[in-house]
Amino acid sequence: GENVEQHPSTLSVQEGDSAVIKCTYSDSASNYFPWYKQELGKRPQLIIDIRSNVGEKKDQRIAVTLNKTAKHFSLHITETQPEDSAVYFCAAHYSGGGADGLTFGKGTHLIIQP
Amino acid sequence: NAGVTQTPKFQVLKTGQSMTLQCAQDMNHEYMSWYRQDPGMGLRLIHYSVGAGITDQGEVPNGYNVSRSTTEDFPLRLLSAAPSQTSVYFCASTKLAGEGEQYFGPGTRLTVT
Repeated sequence: GENVEQHPSTLSVQEGDSAVIKCTYSDSASNYFPWYKQELGKRPQLIIDIRSNVGEKKDQRIAVTLNKTAKHFSLHITETQPEDSAVYFCAAHYSGGGADGLTFGKGTHLIIQP
Repeated sequence: NAGVTQTPKFQVLKTGQSMTLQCAQDMNHEYMSWYRQDPGMGLRLIHYSVGAGITDQGEVPNGYNVSRSTTEDFPLRLLSAAPSQTSVYFCASTKLAGEGEQYFGPGTRLTVT
């Protein structure tokens, strides 16, 4: 099956600075990589995703990059704001061997310092 | 649309009791799944379904059963609750099998004593 490693587990940045969260995956057949944001006590919500045929995707202050050769992908948040404080999860979609689903990383707690 | 709904929001069980967590979606999504979330562990896939009448195991299926008799509903059954099943459970659905935005329900916080 797939294995996703996520770093760091906690990230504290000053408001206005950039934040980068990194993930690696193990199954080269994985083809879809979403990022979810989860605020305290709430459900996870998709913030951006990327497919394996694309190297980079951007949506306003959020961008994701994918390096298929190295099997890693990263989330970049620029000009961080207090409302960006949350737990962020990366995930990889695998399909094969009778399985079809997402494997999530263990999460990064992003803290925006005022 | 209500999206994905789950009941109950909170539940306390004694060891050995059984119960069913309910999940429903009104978006006509084919793919539905159950995850459990434990502190520091992320979300782990318990069971999933690619359509009515079809279910399969995820990463952590032991102690849980599912069924999918309709497109809308995907209940999760705990056969004999154990303290290790204390967790927050999320149901999710997506239009395409496993790929594309997963819409999560609000979650059920389960405590087994």
